[in-house]
Amino acid sequence: EVQLVESGGGLVQPGRSLRLSCAASGFSFDDYAMHWVRQAPGKGLEWVSGISWNSGSIGYADSVKGRFTISRDNAKNFLYLQMNSLRTEDTALYYCSKGAYSSGYSFDLWGQGTLVTVSS
Amino acid sequence: QSVLTQPPSASGTPGQRVTISCSGSSSNIGSNTVNWFQHLPETAPKLLIYSNNQRPSGVPDRFSGSKSGTSASLAISGLQSEDEADYYCAAWDDRLNGWVFGGGTKLTVL
Repeated sequence: EVQLVESGGGLVQPGRSLRLSCAASGFSFDDYAMHWVRQAPGKGLEWVSGISWNSGSIGYADSVKGRFTISRDNAKNFLYLQMNSLRTEDTALYYCSKGAYSSGYSFDLWGQGTLVTVSS
Repeated sequence: QSVLTQPPSASGTPGQRVTISCSGSSSNIGSNTVNWFQHLPETAPKLLIYSNNQRPSGVPDRFSGSKSGTSASLAISGLQSEDEADYYCAAWDDRLNGWVFGGGTKLTVL
């Protein structure tokens, strides 16, 4: 079955770190760019970060630049998001998604999301 | 405040045709293609339209997209109750070097 399954979310204090994982199955993971997209409570979708198939191109939203790091392991079919110096405004449901890095046929497959709550 | 501007709400009656607009700038919609997503509560977002007007396999032809200059539109014809959802546009932004999303439009089927 073609699917993405996120994990690693939870309750964390401001300033602490968390690492999200996304397990991919049912497709050739190393053929595709991958992305993290989040949705804060009551808000819309926000692109967080993207990584090309070979990790040669990586991008971040200004809101997380310098604090979050995206990476992937093509041998294990996993996508990661290392989140440091977390802020209350990072509280959101985090989705991983598959697709083209910068245009066209992108975000064609989504996971169910993992909830990150940043609170003291 | 989102880089792409969408109306916060839209509505229509069953069978009607509704359109949702998405306004951007030269660095995003003006120079790149637009994708549209449907997001139902408690579910993952779904790609409805890619490359301005292309439908992925399985998306009904009631859904169509268009783009002109720095704006794009999603049209839904033959509105059905199950179309009640949030709709988002997105495009790559050359200046920000990242994807930008619209704020979302909540569609209500009356």
